[in-house]
Amino acid sequence: DAGVIQSPRHEVTEMGQEVTLRCKPISGHNSLFWYRQTMMRGLELLIYFNNNVPIDDSGMPEDRFSAKMPNASFSTLKIQPSEPRDSAVYFCASSVVSPPSYEQYFGPGTRLTVT
Amino acid sequence: GENVEQHPSTLSVQEGDSAVIKCTYSDSASNYFPWYKQELGKRPQLIIDIRSNVGEKKDQRIAVTLNKTAKHFSLHITETQPEDSAVYFCAASEEDIFGKGTRLHILP
Repeated sequence: DAGVIQSPRHEVTEMGQEVTLRCKPISGHNSLFWYRQTMMRGLELLIYFNNNVPIDDSGMPEDRFSAKMPNASFSTLKIQPSEPRDSAVYFCASSVVSPPSYEQYFGPGTRLTVT
Repeated sequence: GENVEQHPSTLSVQEGDSAVIKCTYSDSASNYFPWYKQELGKRPQLIIDIRSNVGEKKDQRIAVTLNKTAKHFSLHITETQPEDSAVYFCAASEEDIFGKGTRLHILP
């Protein structure tokens, strides 16, 4: 398996533009997580899905952020309009909820810069 | 919801010495406690985890201890090596609510 795939790996955009980040989880995994990482705030959970259904989006910073998971093999995180403070590394992770392990497998991340 | 506090934020240890990172959590219902290691410019990866029915778990130079009564758990790295330099994150619950991370520096 190729692991969790994220695209793009780097994104530079101007303030006010729409940004769409994409994630393909590991096949067979039933949970998907979106994280934002900055030096100041560390690794923040934005939203997670279980069986394609959003379970907890309390970490989504504001209405400018939205996430979808139309099927088990694809998810998007959209920021519209983007702002400079959204600059961060965004990670997608997936896991198979199968006790006793809940290990999350992270993608390589998307480094977003909003100017 | 769950809240995880992690200390210290930065730790410098002489090569060969031991390193200890501590975390506390708030939700007594949490029963899964993983630790992730993130090397510079790379993604976090699981290095060890423990469930609440176990007080201690060891894997070579790495060990994790859990005190459910006090709601805290710790990562212990013995005989530290240069490749242990990284950021370490603790987490609690199956949804992995992360601490803010500890940047570990192994000094030559």
